[in-house]
Amino acid sequence: DTAVSQTPKYLVTQMGNDKSIKCEQNLGHDTMYWYKQDSKKFLKIMFSYNNKELIINETVPNRFSPKSPDKAHLNLHINSLELGDSAVYFCASSQDRKRGWGYEQYFGPGTRLTVT
Amino acid sequence: GNSVTQMEGPVTLSEEAFLTINCTYTATGYPSLFWYVQYPGEGLQLLLKATKADDKGSNKGFEATYRKETTSFHLEKGSVQVSDSAVYFCALYNNDMRFGAGTRLTVKP
Repeated sequence: DTAVSQTPKYLVTQMGNDKSIKCEQNLGHDTMYWYKQDSKKFLKIMFSYNNKELIINETVPNRFSPKSPDKAHLNLHINSLELGDSAVYFCASSQDRKRGWGYEQYFGPGTRLTVT
Repeated sequence: GNSVTQMEGPVTLSEEAFLTINCTYTATGYPSLFWYVQYPGEGLQLLLKATKADDKGSNKGFEATYRKETTSFHLEKGSVQVSDSAVYFCALYNNDMRFGAGTRLTVKP
């Protein structure tokens, strides 16, 4: 069984459109994340949710909105897509971040978003 | 704040060569340290970890030792294989998670 899954794997869309990426984890973890990886492989955290509460919101445009219907799902909705949004987006999950040591994240396979 | 600095790539080696990828960190207290690997077209996978000073993490022939005195967590492997070609990320956890910029390794037969 896939631990962290994302859909779709590839997403090609035009500027100005609105799109969503879905993420699900079956590990029973409390915390989920969204990362953006650019063409140079630089990984930047966007959001983190712990038990359905937002706990990190780095300097991400408000066109990006995470939604967590339950602790096993964290979806990413993007409004008014721009060329610069083209990247690979990774979902990840971990046990309660407050546990500290031994903390590790499990990543999904990624969603390659191309905005034309 | 917390940060991770790792050596810039790309790194190209011949099969069976020795590998070192340097990683240093800045953090207060005692962070946990990790190496993640990303194979082409895939997400990141945990390779190894160390949670306290002088701990050695190891997996698949890779090793890294948590050196608090030098704030380092260098990744090493004695004999690389073509299948080790990937991007390697050093990371730390200290109230939040920080990743290095990644180092691309290519191993040629």
